[in-house]
Amino acid sequence: GAVVSQHPSWVICKSGTSVKIECRSLDFQATTMFWYRQFPKQSLMLMATSNEGSKATYEQGVEKDKFLINHASLTLSTLTVTSAHPEDSSFYICSASQGGMGEKLFFGSGTQLSVL
Amino acid sequence: QQQVKQSPQSLIVQKGGIPIINCAYENTAFDYFPWYQQFPGKGPALLIAIRPDVSEKKEGRFTISFNKSAKQFSLHIMDSQPGDSATYFCAASGSGGSYIPTFGRGTSLIVHP
Repeated sequence: GAVVSQHPSWVICKSGTSVKIECRSLDFQATTMFWYRQFPKQSLMLMATSNEGSKATYEQGVEKDKFLINHASLTLSTLTVTSAHPEDSSFYICSASQGGMGEKLFFGSGTQLSVL
Repeated sequence: QQQVKQSPQSLIVQKGGIPIINCAYENTAFDYFPWYQQFPGKGPALLIAIRPDVSEKKEGRFTISFNKSAKQFSLHIMDSQPGDSATYFCAASGSGGSYIPTFGRGTSLIVHP
């Protein structure tokens, strides 16, 4: 299957700093990528849909100025958590659609963010 | 987002058993129903998927049964192994306005040796 690479796998940062997470589709072009947040033993919570060359679409309740998403190319989307606080600590996962319309989602390995 | 209801929340079986996980959806515009497997600390991985034009799909030990009229689908794991212990998510998506995948709450499966 297609490969989606997500980095870093884990990051520890101080409160108030910003953290950037990268998501790359290695062997296919992804016009659409999704960013999720997952709390322990819970389902995936969609944060935003990232479209190449345009602004991301954020889900209700997700602060777009807090979680900056950039999808500058067909193979790279980034999520920047700005001015991180302990409540932002979570497991963040990206996915890319090979089918182009939300089908055949391939997920990155996730990023565990811990904000001290 | 339309909800996809998944049950049970957790499931424990013995090796060789056949765990069954069920999902139900509401939006008839959904036309793609995948299952994902997630191990701790990892992202989900696509396991198997089905479209409404068939009632069953089998890939290895994994089988999806689909009931279009009831708007339900289920995952069966034949001859389950301890290595199958993971969290399983069903999802639904479709063309048009409902293409963004909607995930179930997940089922934590434990297969005892």
